[in-house]
Amino acid sequence: DGGITQSPKYLFRKEGQNVTLSCEQNLNHDAMYWYRQDPGQGLRLIYYSQIVNDFQKGDIAEGYSVSREKKESFPLTVTSAQKNPTAFYLCASSIEGWGDRQFFGPGTRLTVL
Amino acid sequence: KQEVTQIPAALSVPEGENLVLNCSFTDSAIYNLQWFRQDPGKGLTSLLLIQSSQREQTSGRLNASLDKSSGRSTLYIAASQPGDSATYLCAVIGRESNYQLIWGAGTKLIIKP
Repeated sequence: DGGITQSPKYLFRKEGQNVTLSCEQNLNHDAMYWYRQDPGQGLRLIYYSQIVNDFQKGDIAEGYSVSREKKESFPLTVTSAQKNPTAFYLCASSIEGWGDRQFFGPGTRLTVL
Repeated sequence: KQEVTQIPAALSVPEGENLVLNCSFTDSAIYNLQWFRQDPGKGLTSLLLIQSSQREQTSGRLNASLDKSSGRSTLYIAASQPGDSATYLCAVIGRESNYQLIWGAGTKLIIKP
């Protein structure tokens, strides 16, 4: 089955810790995205990548980092510099770029203890 | 700055009714508009994508319309079913947003059996 997987489904972080969220896709899509979703708000873009070894900051990149070493993988690290990381994180991909339909993974819920 | 609004935030209707969900945007210079569905605690599923040159798109019981001049889109759901219960989000992409998706906060739809 083709699709996007995210792991873990739930993640708990202590103050001061860095954590990494996994996102993998086997759709052969060039573009991948990370969004943050908070209750009552629209999705906000953290980072996006339109091609391997290249990525761009979104609206709320501070406190986050990404890498794109493989076409299939786009991990997101939530660093200790992110002061309010508790949220639902969604990864998406599209064939080439923004004009294409985006396909989403199931999400990771991150909670700071 | 492009803003996307979805009103109402929540809607409850009896099973079998036809219903309309609304999405409005402030900048009419959009490239496309997309409707998504999100089940509780899950990722998003793309429903329909309307290009700026199109007036509507249909998929099964769903019909989405686009009126760029008035900055509005509607998602029409025919013969609603309990399985349609979910949050519906719209998002637009355009030059003003540097070709990134700008999201509404969603309408939570409950279909009562």
